[in-house]
Formats: sequence, C-alpha cells, structure tokens
Amino acid sequence: GENVEQHPSTLSVQEGDSAVIKCTYSDSASNYFPWYKQELGKRPQLIIDIRSNVGEKKDQRIAVTLNKTAKHFSLHITETQPEDSAVYFCAPIRAAGNKLTFGGGTRVLVKP
Amino acid sequence: EAGVAQSPRYKIIEKRQSVAFWCNPISGHATLYWYQQILGQGPKLLIQFQNNGVVDDSQLPKDRFSAERLKGVDSTLKIQPAKLEDSAVYLCASSQTQGSYEQYFGPGTRLTVT
Repeated sequence: GENVEQHPSTLSVQEGDSAVIKCTYSDSASNYFPWYKQELGKRPQLIIDIRSNVGEKKDQRIAVTLNKTAKHFSLHITETQPEDSAVYFCAPIRAAGNKLTFGGGTRVLVKP
Repeated sequence: EAGVAQSPRYKIIEKRQSVAFWCNPISGHATLYWYQQILGQGPKLLIQFQNNGVVDDSQLPKDRFSAERLKGVDSTLKIQPAKLEDSAVYLCASSQTQGSYEQYFGPGTRLTVT
C-alpha cells in the first residue's frame, strides 16, 4: 500500500512569515495530490489539490508544488495568519474514487 | 447543498459494550467512506462503499466492526464489543462517483471507550 510521510510534524511560525510542509509518497502511480486542513475538533477540509500533469498550483496565499520524479509534493502558505493554525494532512491518491491515504499530519501554529 | 450528516456527535461507552454510528452522505453521492481517526493521527480508511456494495474493507477489524449501506444511501457502522483502543473520531465521507477525486467529510462521531 501507499506509504505517506509528512515533514515537519510540527511547525511554529511568526504571523506574516511563510510555512512549507513536505509530503513524500511511495506509489509512483499516484496522480492526485490534495492537502486537507483540520482545525481542532472539526472535520478535514480540502484546501488545495493538484493533478499529476501540473507542477504548481496557487490559490491566494496557498500553493502546492509537485515533483513526480522525486515523489513528493509541498504545501506553501505565505503571509501566515493566526487562522492558519491547524493540522494539515496530505493524502495522495492513485485514482478517482480510491481511498485517501493520509500522512501523519503537520501541526502548524502561527504566533501573533 | 446539504453536507454529510453523522450522528451521534459524541458517545461514551464501557469496554465490551456495543455502539452504532449513522451517516447520511450528500444526495447523489454514490461512494461512501468510513474513516477512523485516532487522536494525533491522520484518518485511516475502515470501509468504502460504491452504492450498496463494498469496494474496500481491508482495514476493517471484522471480528468486531461491521458496516452496511443497504439501500445505497445512508450507512451504519457498528462496533461489538468495543475495546479501549477503539476510542477515536469516526469520520464519514462521500464523493460523487468513482470518477470524482474530492471527498466531503461529515463532522464525525467522537467515541470514548472507558
């Protein structure tokens, strides 16, 4: 099965700084790469995703970059704000409808 | 559009008791997933349904867990008997068809086994 790892496991940044989380995966057939944000006590919510035929995607302050050769993709958050504090999960997937295999999560704390 | 509904939101039981969780997916979503999220970890798939058929139950502890989706709409997940290590949040998710990547999560049921 898919082996998914995230680094770092915790990340503390000052408000306004950038945060980067890296996700490595083992299944070379993975072709969809989402990032989920989970606030304390709430459900995971999709914040950005990328398909395998695209190297980078940006949505306001968040972006995802993909390196299929090296089998990793990263979440970039710029100009961090306190409301960005949450746990972020990557969950690469091989095909539509398949189960999500979540990484262990990265706890991000944005200090005001 | 209404989201994925789950009930109850919280449940506390003693070990060896049984418990059942209910999920109603987004209308029209053929695929339904049950995930288990232990505190401090990412969600782990327990079972996946396509309409009323099981697609993947490889990580479901079948000696104590069971799930059904009889009419291809709502679903029930049961644990009998519960163990302490079953304490977790049980998340239900749904997606439109097998051709859709995005999964929508319900609010979850937080189970505490004492």
